[in-house]
Amino acid sequence: AQSVTQLDSQVPVFEEAPVELRCNYSSSVSVYLFWYVQYPNQGLQLLLKYLSGSTLVESINGFEAEFNKSQTSFHLRKPSVHISDTAEYFCAVSDPGGGNKLTFGTGTQLKVEL
Amino acid sequence: DGGITQSPKYLFRKEGQNVTLSCEQNLNHDAMYWYRQDPGQGLRLIYYSQIVNDFQKGDIAEGYSVSREKKESFPLTVTSAQKNPTAFYLCASSATGTGNYGYTFGSGTRLTVV
Repeated sequence: AQSVTQLDSQVPVFEEAPVELRCNYSSSVSVYLFWYVQYPNQGLQLLLKYLSGSTLVESINGFEAEFNKSQTSFHLRKPSVHISDTAEYFCAVSDPGGGNKLTFGTGTQLKVEL
Repeated sequence: DGGITQSPKYLFRKEGQNVTLSCEQNLNHDAMYWYRQDPGQGLRLIYYSQIVNDFQKGDIAEGYSVSREKKESFPLTVTSAQKNPTAFYLCASSATGTGNYGYTFGSGTRLTVV
């Protein structure tokens, strides 16, 4: 069975500072990895995904995540955050050969302050 | 525009009542999912369906029921057997087949027991 651990439930950061949201997974097989973002009272939106190929993936709004197989991690980073990045972020994993079910982490609340 | 629609956005239920949450998608996705979200617990899978007229229990199916009579629709009924139904409910859909490109989520229904 797969599992996802998001080590930080809340991450406060000042605007224009860098941020890293941590995600570790456990799986005995190869995986697909995803980061989703959720704004208050809304559904989740796909931020970025790793399926194969380059281990560094980027989103259109400046976030990036790096797949590290040896450390079973998929940490999300942004070099300079904005107030509008305040949201909850979920890491998710799926087994490419096991259907389309995603297993989600418990989420990290990113709060950007002035 | 293609998407997934959940209704209503807010729903109030009296003790002992059954209520049905609607989920409709026009993305031509085969698979649909229902998740429950509680603060600090991430997303927990209630039911999922990968094809019309077939569905499977997720991790917390007790007290819930679903149907999948049409590809576009996957309604969730919260029955009186669900002892703590107050939560935010999210519906999602995805393509099936090789590769997993993640889910598309609806905007959610917030259910409150009064």
